[in-house]
Amino acid sequence: ETGVTQSPTHLIKTRGQQVTLRCSSQSGHNTVSWYQQALGQGPQFIFQYYREEENGRGNFPPRFSGLQFPNYSSELNVNALELDDSALYLCASSPWTGASYEQYFGPGTRLTVT
Amino acid sequence: AQRVTQPEKLLSVFKGAPVELKCNYSYSGSPELFWYVQYSRQRLQLLLRHISRESIKGFTADLNKGETSFHLKKPFAQEEDSAMYYCALLYNQGGKLIFGQGTELSVKP
Repeated sequence: ETGVTQSPTHLIKTRGQQVTLRCSSQSGHNTVSWYQQALGQGPQFIFQYYREEENGRGNFPPRFSGLQFPNYSSELNVNALELDDSALYLCASSPWTGASYEQYFGPGTRLTVT
Repeated sequence: AQRVTQPEKLLSVFKGAPVELKCNYSYSGSPELFWYVQYSRQRLQLLLRHISRESIKGFTADLNKGETSFHLKKPFAQEEDSAMYYCALLYNQGGKLIFGQGTELSVKP
């Protein structure tokens, strides 16, 4: 069973640029969630995708967008990068089993915006 | 508003001592709570969930709806328990996990 993978591991971008982060979900999982974890903070929910549709969104502006593909892999796109976007971005996949399920996290992508 | 609070950023204990990591939540519905753990250089992983009432690695957590708490306990801490612990609330059954700020547990020999 392959776990959740994310790419790239690290990324440095300049303010105003755009970035795309990628996530491959665990085998058999059709739901992907994205989280932003600032230094010293817990992860904050950005959004979730289920069967290629956005299934919920946290308090993030529209410049944070995502996609899920038929193979359930996912992308997080951030436009017009700001310094405060510097964080660890975590992807988590899960099987949709109804009311309660476990989310399996990837290792994260460390984004630095200068 | 939904919120998870972990009042301690750092908890330091000696090996063999009891451990309690505090978690309080604010949620109007029926809460579903989890503890996640992140060991050094490893990814975030589920430790336990309240509905399963399991004991994982000697840790237990009881949901107290009256006090809106979900504290994590272990009677005898081990050095390998040193890690970052996050309490999380599942919001609206839509996959949104609301995390606390985390507590770093340091178990000294």
